[in-house]
Amino acid sequence: DQQVKQNSPSLSVQEGRISILNCDYTNSMFDYFLWYKKYPAEGPTFLISISSIKDKNEDGRFTVFLNKSAKHLSLHIVPSQPGDSAVYFCAASANAGNNRKLIWGLGTSLAVNP
Amino acid sequence: GAVVSQHPSWVICKSGTSVKIECRSLDFQATTMFWYRQFPKQSLMLMATSNEGSKATYEQGVEKDKFLINHASLTLSTLTVTSAHPEDSSFYICSARDLLRGTQFYEQYFGPGTRLTVT
Repeated sequence: DQQVKQNSPSLSVQEGRISILNCDYTNSMFDYFLWYKKYPAEGPTFLISISSIKDKNEDGRFTVFLNKSAKHLSLHIVPSQPGDSAVYFCAASANAGNNRKLIWGLGTSLAVNP
Repeated sequence: GAVVSQHPSWVICKSGTSVKIECRSLDFQATTMFWYRQFPKQSLMLMATSNEGSKATYEQGVEKDKFLINHASLTLSTLTVTSAHPEDSSFYICSARDLLRGTQFYEQYFGPGTRLTVT
């Protein structure tokens, strides 16, 4: 049972435009959501997070929006750059004391075309 | 900074043999290391969490006697797949936390992963 879903396996956008990556979740106990970025032959790297008490978090060109009622979050990249081409993973976590763990989506491969 | 390496990057072994995967933090001390695996067309799944000098904590459904984890130093953790079978073929990836760099649970630094194929 996939608790974190990224329904688009791939996305292609033009350089300078906005990239929007989507993520849906089913577990209402999740209270932290994260986006990781992964280049080929490298491990994922943390990009941005959002707590369930917020609906938006911004860091430079990256903004994550959270819609709790819809159990949906999205990552916006503006403007998109060719170096943003990577696989983006959505992950979520529920408060379990010292045993927090990450539940991952399948990832969306973003291609930013020059 | 915060580089995690894994060795080997890929390995092929015969059914019934054991294979060891190393995870090293190159420029920091990893107080906690995590082992994940990813089967084809599935998401990353946490297998176990290990703290240096302590026994690993395994997730439900992961056989601790089959997947031996050793975290004997602050820079090295090993995962040994014992008596490997074709269904153990997967992508194994480790991550490490450095409490000096960040205290948030999601501040983990990932290795590049190891592709295991059991024939």
